[in-house]
Amino acid sequence: AQKVTQAQTEISVVEKEDVTLDCVYETRDTTYYLFWYKQPPSGELVFLIRRNSFDEQNEISGRYSWNFQKSTSSFNFTITASQVVDSAVYFCALSEAVGGNKLTFGTGTQLKVEL
Amino acid sequence: GAVVSQHPSRVICKSGTSVKIECRSLDFQATTMFWYRQFPKKSLMLMATSNEGSKATYEQGVEKDKFLINHASLTLSTLTVTSAHPEDSSFYICSALKAYEQYFGPGTRLTVT
Repeated sequence: AQKVTQAQTEISVVEKEDVTLDCVYETRDTTYYLFWYKQPPSGELVFLIRRNSFDEQNEISGRYSWNFQKSTSSFNFTITASQVVDSAVYFCALSEAVGGNKLTFGTGTQLKVEL
Repeated sequence: GAVVSQHPSRVICKSGTSVKIECRSLDFQATTMFWYRQFPKKSLMLMATSNEGSKATYEQGVEKDKFLINHASLTLSTLTVTSAHPEDSSFYICSALKAYEQYFGPGTRLTVT
């Protein structure tokens, strides 16, 4: 069975600090996809990234970067120079190729960025 | 893009009544949609997979007679919470599948009084 663990339930940082959100996953499948979503207070899920299991290249998008390490089954997310608007709950999720595209979500990390 | 809407965004109903939530894919057709439930400060839990033209597939522990799902067209899936009780109060989110990617609706907040 697949599982996603986000050990950090809540993180508070001061604006302009860098912050890394951890995600560890478990799966028996060799082909799978990893995702990060942002959920602001409004509740709507905002898609951030999708990564397949065969692509371990790290990705950078503006202030966001992702570090995918199959050896440790981790897919960590770093926000550089955090801003107040980054305050939200961030979810890591996993879907297996043979799982009918069903997503398994982690428990989420509440990020609070203060002035 | 791929836009998914949900209606209503918020609903308050009395205990014992039923409430229907709609999930629509606005600019694409979706043979598969998913329904999730999210309790406050909790993760999203998959309730069921909705398949156009066939019965929904429910996750373990989800009562199919209580949470009725109908996927009558390629752009609409509905979730009906029957005989709602206060413990059904939650945030319900749907998603529609397009090219192996799930596109999420904005969610419906249900409060049962």
